[in-house]
Amino acid sequence: DTAVSQTPKYLVTQMGNDKSIKCEQNLGHDTMYWYKQDSKKFLKIMFSYNNKELIINETVPNRFSPKSPDKAHLNLHINSLELGDSAVYFCASSQLYGNQPQHFGDGTRLSIL
Amino acid sequence: GIQVEQSPPDLILQEGANSTLRCNFSDSVNNLQWFHQNPWGQLINLFYIPSGTKQNGRLSATTVATERYSLLYISSSQTTDSGVYFCAAAGGATNKLIFGTGTLLAVQP
Repeated sequence: DTAVSQTPKYLVTQMGNDKSIKCEQNLGHDTMYWYKQDSKKFLKIMFSYNNKELIINETVPNRFSPKSPDKAHLNLHINSLELGDSAVYFCASSQLYGNQPQHFGDGTRLSIL
Repeated sequence: GIQVEQSPPDLILQEGANSTLRCNFSDSVNNLQWFHQNPWGQLINLFYIPSGTKQNGRLSATTVATERYSLLYISSSQTTDSGVYFCAAAGGATNKLIFGTGTLLAVQP
């Protein structure tokens, strides 16, 4: 059973397009996160939702819009894709209280042509 | 915010050797995790260790929270241990993990 699953695994698209990445967790966690890993392997948090409420919103272009329809799902929509958006995007989940360990999905590799 | 530094940045080992990876963090933490990113890009949870010592097979980790560092020990290394090892730490109420820049480990047969 996959604990944190992301779709798609790979996404290749043209500059200027709009795309979405979906994330689902079946661990019963109340908090979900999006991280971005750039070409130098550096991992940085983008957003976090706790029970559908936004609790972390880092300095990210407003072309990126997270949406959490329920606490088991966190989607990431990206408008007007740019070359610099090419990266691997990881979704994670955890229980927030007590800063419990985060569990990561396998990542979505986004390539902008 | 918290800063996380890892050392060494790169490490080459012969199969069977032991190694120690270090993670320093700049402030008190209530979450510290070690991950292994394998050649397929997956982030594998190794340890959740905000304090104390844990062991899992050939791997063990120790965090000394009062001195703000954590160590990951790999014994009898295997080629499958190759990849990037990340330390990540969080303090405060939002569990925002700050990642170090990783240690790239190559284990040669």
